[in-house]
Amino acid sequence: AQSVTQPDIHITVSEGASLELRCNYSYGATPYLFWYVQSPGQGLQLLLKYFSGDTLVQGIKGFEAEFKRSQSSFNLRKPSVHWSDAAEYFCAVATYRNTDKLIFGTGTRLQVFP
Amino acid sequence: DSGVTQTPKHLITATGQRVTLRCSPRSGDLSVYWYQQSLDQGLQFLIQYYNGEERAKGNILERFSAQQFPDLHSELNLSSLELGDSALYFCASSVSDSTDTQYFGPGTRLTVL
Repeated sequence: AQSVTQPDIHITVSEGASLELRCNYSYGATPYLFWYVQSPGQGLQLLLKYFSGDTLVQGIKGFEAEFKRSQSSFNLRKPSVHWSDAAEYFCAVATYRNTDKLIFGTGTRLQVFP
Repeated sequence: DSGVTQTPKHLITATGQRVTLRCSPRSGDLSVYWYQQSLDQGLQFLIQYYNGEERAKGNILERFSAQQFPDLHSELNLSSLELGDSALYFCASSVSDSTDTQYFGPGTRLTVL
């Protein structure tokens, strides 16, 4: 069965520092990969997605992610974090074989210090 | 704003009761998905409808049911509520039923007392 692992439950960074949030997936073929962000009390907003093609994908708010098949990873990065980036980040996978349901990781809560 | 609307925003009810959550997808989207977000289970897929028909089922309890109407809005019905049903329920929509981005609504927070 497909699964997603986000090994870091909570990450704290200083404003202006770089950020990398880890995501590993388990699936036999190439999955479709997503990163969503959830601000407190809000819904989920799509940051970026990977379906095929260039393995480095650019998203909104200055985020990017790189798909690495050999490591089954899809890590999210940002070169300089802003205080407004504090939120919970979810990695998700969809396989589109029998269904296009999203399977989510447990999320990583990002805290940003001024 | 994703274009997906959900009502109500908050719902407080008692155990044993029944509630209905409503979702209106983005204009033009034919697929609607329901997800449950709780502290112990995380974000879990419940059920998907495409153009009025059930397309996929996830970890949805028998006490829960959903439907999608001809105008494409969807309702999630939760009955015989238990304390453990307290959660944030999200609706998402996408254009088709495969290989598509899902856009999420703001959610309905259900509290069962």
